[in-house]
Amino acid sequence: SQQGEEDPQALSIQEGENATMNCSYKTSINNLQWYRQNSGRGLVHLILIRSNEREKHSGRLRVTLDTSKKSSSLLITASRAADTASYFCATDEGGSEKLVFGKGTKLTVNP
Amino acid sequence: DAGVIQSPRHEVTEMGQEVTLRCKPISGHNSLFWYRQTMMRGLELLIYFNNNVPIDDSGMPEDRFSAKMPNASFSTLKIQPSEPRDSAVYFCASKATGGGGYTFGSGTRLTVV
Repeated sequence: SQQGEEDPQALSIQEGENATMNCSYKTSINNLQWYRQNSGRGLVHLILIRSNEREKHSGRLRVTLDTSKKSSSLLITASRAADTASYFCATDEGGSEKLVFGKGTKLTVNP
Repeated sequence: DAGVIQSPRHEVTEMGQEVTLRCKPISGHNSLFWYRQTMMRGLELLIYFNNNVPIDDSGMPEDRFSAKMPNASFSTLKIQPSEPRDSAVYFCASKATGGGGYTFGSGTRLTVV
């Protein structure tokens, strides 16, 4: 079952611009995570935000979480060509160990 | 640590054959997950283990799929007999107990012809 749904499905920007991706989910969660997947590779964990947190930063990444709206956003500032990848949000279903992933946003950063 | 290691990276097999995918999780990680990724369905959780015990196999599509974890450092996902609709990328991931993210392997791209 798909828990998180990312929006937009695809995003194309110029190097140096900011990229914002959104995620909506359906059930209660303990945490929400964002992952990156480069073409032909496995997923890489980027950041985890707990349900009692509203915002978290890691380098050029900023994640927000609004549990009342069951939504999250991932902002990548000053994007680089190397940020080109698919980005997935994932949620734990009611705090279980297993993560349910959305279908991802495909980000293209043009040099 | 070399990360989560999956083998083979690519597998092409004929319909009806048995396929075995292998995974070595990160040492010390207590949970292991098998996912399947396709364009149509995205990432689907097939099964996960905690301390080598299967906890949730509700995502296993049918009896043709089976998974084992005989010890903390090795897991297999077997498909017998394989069908063309099983073609996908299969990922293994592991995680330490408690919070934190998963570490994924590089995946096995399975093509059943």
